Amino acid sequence: GENVEQHPSTLSVQEGDSAVIKCTYSDSASNYFPWYKQELGKRPQLIIDIRSNVGEKKDQRIAVTLNKTAKHFSLHITETQPEDSAVYFCAASIEAGNMLTFGGGTRLMVKP
Amino acid sequence: DTEVTQTPKHLVMGMTNKKSLKCEQHMGHRAMYWYKQKAKKPPELMFVYSYEKLSINESVPSRFSPECPNSSLLNLHLHALQPEDSALYLCASSQQMGAGELFFGEGSRLTVL
Repeated sequence: GENVEQHPSTLSVQEGDSAVIKCTYSDSASNYFPWYKQELGKRPQLIIDIRSNVGEKKDQRIAVTLNKTAKHFSLHITETQPEDSAVYFCAASIEAGNMLTFGGGTRLMVKP
Repeated sequence: DTEVTQTPKHLVMGMTNKKSLKCEQHMGHRAMYWYKQKAKKPPELMFVYSYEKLSINESVPSRFSPECPNSSLLNLHLHALQPEDSALYLCASSQQMGAGELFFGEGSRLTVL
């Protein structure tokens, strides 16, 4: 089955700096890669996703890149703000019928 | 309405108790999920219902019993739980099984004494 590894497990940045979280996956058939943000005591919420026919996707301060050859994908957050502090989970699946496999999570702390 | 609603938010139960967790969505989604989440860990899939039929059971102990009474409701019946079952139980839904965005509820935090 699919195995997703996520690094780093914790990341501390200064407000205004960029943050990068990286994930690798094992199943070359995976074609859907979402990122979820979970604030303390809250539900996980989808913040951005990418499918394998696209190499990069941006949404304001958030971007995701995908390298299918190397089987890794990354989340980039620019101009970080204290409200970006949360746990971020990457995931991978073969869309339509297959369940998401989550990475282990990254706790991002943005210091004011 | 883009919400998944879970009740109760908190539940404390003894090892001999029987209780139920409830989940509701009105987005017309045909797939509903139960996840278990321990502190500082990702959600772990327990069960998936697709079109009100149990499609996936990830080898969950029988002390957890899911039920899908209709396309909007999902229950998780709990009986004879162990302290190690204490966790956040998240319900989620999606348009189809394994496809598209997962919408999570806020979770039910369960403590087993």
